[in-house]
Amino acid sequence: EDQVTQSPEALRLQEGESSSLNCSYTVSGLRGLFWYRQDPGKGPEFLFTLYSAGEEKEKERLKATLTKKESFLHITAPKPEDSATYLCAVQAWSNDYKLSFGAGTTVTVRA
Amino acid sequence: DSGVTQTPKHLITATGQRVTLRCSPRSGDLSVYWYQQSLDQGLQFLIQYYNGEERAKGNILERFSAQQFPDLHSELNLSSLELGDSALYFCASTWDRGDTGELFFGEGSRLTVL
Repeated sequence: EDQVTQSPEALRLQEGESSSLNCSYTVSGLRGLFWYRQDPGKGPEFLFTLYSAGEEKEKERLKATLTKKESFLHITAPKPEDSATYLCAVQAWSNDYKLSFGAGTTVTVRA
Repeated sequence: DSGVTQTPKHLITATGQRVTLRCSPRSGDLSVYWYQQSLDQGLQFLIQYYNGEERAKGNILERFSAQQFPDLHSELNLSSLELGDSALYFCASTWDRGDTGELFFGEGSRLTVL
């Protein structure tokens, strides 16, 4: 069964203090790795898709990278509006395209 | 706003009861997914429908069932409810069978079983 482990569980940052979130995965044939953002009381919102090791995607202050065993979400010079729970999900070739999500990392950015 | 509409937003009911959650996907989307999110389990995939047909199944309990109607809206039926069924239930939609993994989630239906 696909396994997705995210660390840390929670991250408190000062505005402007860059950091990284980790997503480790075990999957039988990775089709894609996805990052989502979830605000309190809302549904997850898609951020990135990564398909192969070495691939990188950027959006504003966020950059996602992928290796054969893990993915990182780098937050550069975060602002309070970056506070959210960031979810990582994997999609295997063998699982009919379903997404298996990790438990998430809750990021709090203080002004 | 993702364009996915879920009703009701909140639901409080008693153990043993049955409830129906409704989802209207984004205009043009053919796939509908149901996910359950609880504090201790995270987002768990329940079931996916594509253009009216069941496409993939996750760890959905036998007490739960779903369907997608010809107008593409979907309903998730939860019966013989237990305390442990209390959770946020999300519907998501996408235009394809799920290849892209880019799902559009609704705001969820919060179910509380007392």
